[in-house]
This record gives sequence, C-alpha cells and structure tokens, in this order.
Amino acid sequence: NAGVTQTPKFQVLKTGQSMTLQCAQDMNHNSMYWYRQDPGMGLRLIYYSASEGTTDKGEVPNGYNVSRLNKREFSLRLESAAPSQTSVYFCASSLNEQFFGPGTRLTVL
Amino acid sequence: QKEVEQNSGPLSVPEGAIASLNCTYSDRGSQSFFWYRQYSGKSPELIMFIYSNGDKEDGRFTAQLNKASQYVSLLIRDSQPSDSATYLCAVNQWSSNDYKLSFGAGTTVTVRA
Repeated sequence: NAGVTQTPKFQVLKTGQSMTLQCAQDMNHNSMYWYRQDPGMGLRLIYYSASEGTTDKGEVPNGYNVSRLNKREFSLRLESAAPSQTSVYFCASSLNEQFFGPGTRLTVL
Repeated sequence: QKEVEQNSGPLSVPEGAIASLNCTYSDRGSQSFFWYRQYSGKSPELIMFIYSNGDKEDGRFTAQLNKASQYVSLLIRDSQPSDSATYLCAVNQWSSNDYKLSFGAGTTVTVRA
C-alpha cells in the first residue's frame, strides 16, 4: 500500500517548456487534489477532482491543466512554464482527511 | 482577510514545555478542522482532526475547537526535539461538489534541547 505517489521528484524546466506531473493513489479515494506550496504562503489549491470524470478550479488555476485519467490517477500539466511556477507541488487524495504525496520540486529558469 | 490565519511564529520552546499553536478561520460554515505537521523538505502529514467544540486529546497532542469564536488550537505537551516542524491548520470548505480544505500559512516550531 504505497498511499499517494508522485513523479518526478525534481524537475528543472526552461521558460516555455511543458511538462506533466503524475499522481496516483491506491487508497480507493474518490477525491484528488493538486496544491502548490511557496515560502510563507502555505498550501494553495490549484485544481481538484471530486470523482472520476470531474475536475474543478481551485484558488490558483491559471497556467495549469489537469486530467483525472481514472479513479487512481490525477495529472497536472504546465503547457508553457513560467518562472512564477517555480514551487513545490503536492498531490493529495481523500475520503475525509487528505493524504499527501511526497511532492515534486519544480524550478523554472 | 485570509480564510485561515495562524500565529506567525517561529515559536521556540524548551524541551519538555508546552507548545501552543493558534488558528482562526473566517467561514462560519466550516465543520471540520485539521492539524498537519510538515518536516522541512517533506510533505504534510495529518496529526489531529476535530469536528466538535471542546478538546480532543491524542497522546501528547490536544486540539481545541471553539466554533463561536472561530478558533482552533493545538497544544503539544512535553515537547520533544522531534516535534520541531511547521504545523499547518486546515479548515474544510464544504461545496456542492466536494470537500475542500483551506490551509493557513503554518507556524514553525523549534524545540530546544
């Protein structure tokens, strides 16, 4: 039982490049979330998915897209990365309490 | 006004002392309250949740909730160096679709040996 897994752990991009962050959970949770964490700002919700086939915007969705591929997987895509997207990205899943993956540290140069 | 506010810290306490962390929230409809602990470079991990007014104890941790004052706190008794971390307060925001959390910015606690 791995819980919530994320890939990659680290990534460096150049401005304008695209990439997809992958997240998977094996806890049979319906809801999944993507957050970014910046110093002094706590966790901010980017997108979430209440169930397979549905996605909704969170607090800071601009510049991101998501796909809920199936119940287990929820991916986050940066189409054209910008330096302002340098952050640590966490995926989480929940029935009630949220459980977090290990995070992806992304640097955009 | 931010939805969830925590005392800014950092909070430094001697080993064996009580660390007291505070959190206020703005949404009166909030129903569930969580405390997460985050070690440097790691992901948040849930340590406590509370739904009803009053106190809830789990080992050395006590969560306190006062919905009338829109206030939730976390007490760490007999603080240990291993308790040195950032503590995040999270409050649910019920929507028609889902159960979302709003997080405070966190309070960093350092326990001095």
